[in-house]
Amino acid sequence: DTAVSQTPKYLVTQMGNDKSIKCEQNLGHDTMYWYKQDSKKFLKIMFSYNNKELIINETVPNRFSPKSPDKAHLNLHINSLELGDSAVYFCASSQAWDATELFFGSGTQLSVL
Amino acid sequence: GDSVTQMEGPVTLSEEACLTINCTYTATGYPSLFWYVQYPGEGLQLLLKATKADDKGSNKGFEATYRKETTSFHLEKGSVQVSDSAVYFCALNGGATNKLIFGTGTLLAVQP
Repeated sequence: DTAVSQTPKYLVTQMGNDKSIKCEQNLGHDTMYWYKQDSKKFLKIMFSYNNKELIINETVPNRFSPKSPDKAHLNLHINSLELGDSAVYFCASSQAWDATELFFGSGTQLSVL
Repeated sequence: GDSVTQMEGPVTLSEEACLTINCTYTATGYPSLFWYVQYPGEGLQLLLKATKADDKGSNKGFEATYRKETTSFHLEKGSVQVSDSAVYFCALNGGATNKLIFGTGTLLAVQP
């Protein structure tokens, strides 16, 4: 069983569309994250949720809206996609908000045309 | 703010060569330090960590020592294998914000 799974693995879409990426973890962790990795492999945190509550919200356009229906799931919805949104998006989880080891999913490669 | 600087890649080595990937950090307080590895097509995995000065983290033949005096956490391996080809990320957790802050990653390519 995959510990942190995200879908889809690849997402190709047109500018202006709305899309969602889903993430689920079966590790029983309390905290989940979304990271964005650009074409130069630079990795930056976007959001973090602890027990369904938002605890980290970096400077991200409000076209990006995370949703956590329960602590095992953290989805990312993106409105009005732009070319600059093209990147690999990683979901991750950790045992608690102050835990230091993160477990990452295998990423969703988003290409906006 | 807190930051991590690591050497730019790519680093290309022959099998059994010695590896050093440099990492230095800037942080207030006493951060924990990490190396994560990203194999092709996969997410990041924790490779090793050190939580206080002079600690040495080690795993899979890789080592890194937390050097407070030089604010460094260089990754080393005595003999690399083709299977070590990956992107390596240095990271710190500053504690106050409890965010993992990553360096820009270093691509290692090991040739047979």
